[in-house]
Amino acid sequence: GENVEQHPSTLSVQEGDSAVIKCTYSDSASNYFPWYKQELGKRPQLIIDIRSNVGEKKDQRIAVTLNKTAKHFSLHITETQPEDSAVYFCAASFNFGNEKLTFGTGTRLTIIP
Amino acid sequence: SAVISQKPSRDICQRGTSLTIQCQVDSQVTMMFWYRQQPGQSLTLIATANQGSEATYESGFVIDKFPISRPNLTFSTLTVSNMSPEDSSIYLCSVGGMGDYGYTFGSGTRLTVV
Repeated sequence: GENVEQHPSTLSVQEGDSAVIKCTYSDSASNYFPWYKQELGKRPQLIIDIRSNVGEKKDQRIAVTLNKTAKHFSLHITETQPEDSAVYFCAASFNFGNEKLTFGTGTRLTIIP
Repeated sequence: SAVISQKPSRDICQRGTSLTIQCQVDSQVTMMFWYRQQPGQSLTLIATANQGSEATYESGFVIDKFPISRPNLTFSTLTVSNMSPEDSSIYLCSVGGMGDYGYTFGSGTRLTVV
């Protein structure tokens, strides 16, 4: 089955700087790659996702890039703000909507004011 | 995107008892997923529930311990049976993405077994 690795496990950046979180997946059939933000005591919230027919997607300060050949994808957050502090999870699925998401191990991001 | 109501939000249970968690979705969905999230950890899939058929369990999870019902396209329950302290965790239901909307999660059930 699918295996998703995520790095780093913790990341601290100065406010205003950029943060990058990376994930690799094992199953070349995977074609849907979402990123979730989870604040303490709350449910995971989808912040951005990408499908395998696209190499990059942006939404304001957040972007995701996908390299299908290398089987890795990354989350980029620019101009970080204190409210970006949370745990971020990447995930992968091979059949959007109808198959499970396999999650990475998570990255605890801390923004230093 | 689908809105999921999950309850209870939290419970403290005695070992050996069972707890049933409910998820109600505001639209009809084919697939529902049940996850467990242990403190400080990632989400681990327990099972996939498709209306009209038996749930499909992941390795390490069995139906006798985690029976699931899926009576219709908007509702599902997960029961945690014969609980032990090791079952203390957060349990989350999820529905698959539709159209432009990704997978969404219920608010979670924080279970403590004493």
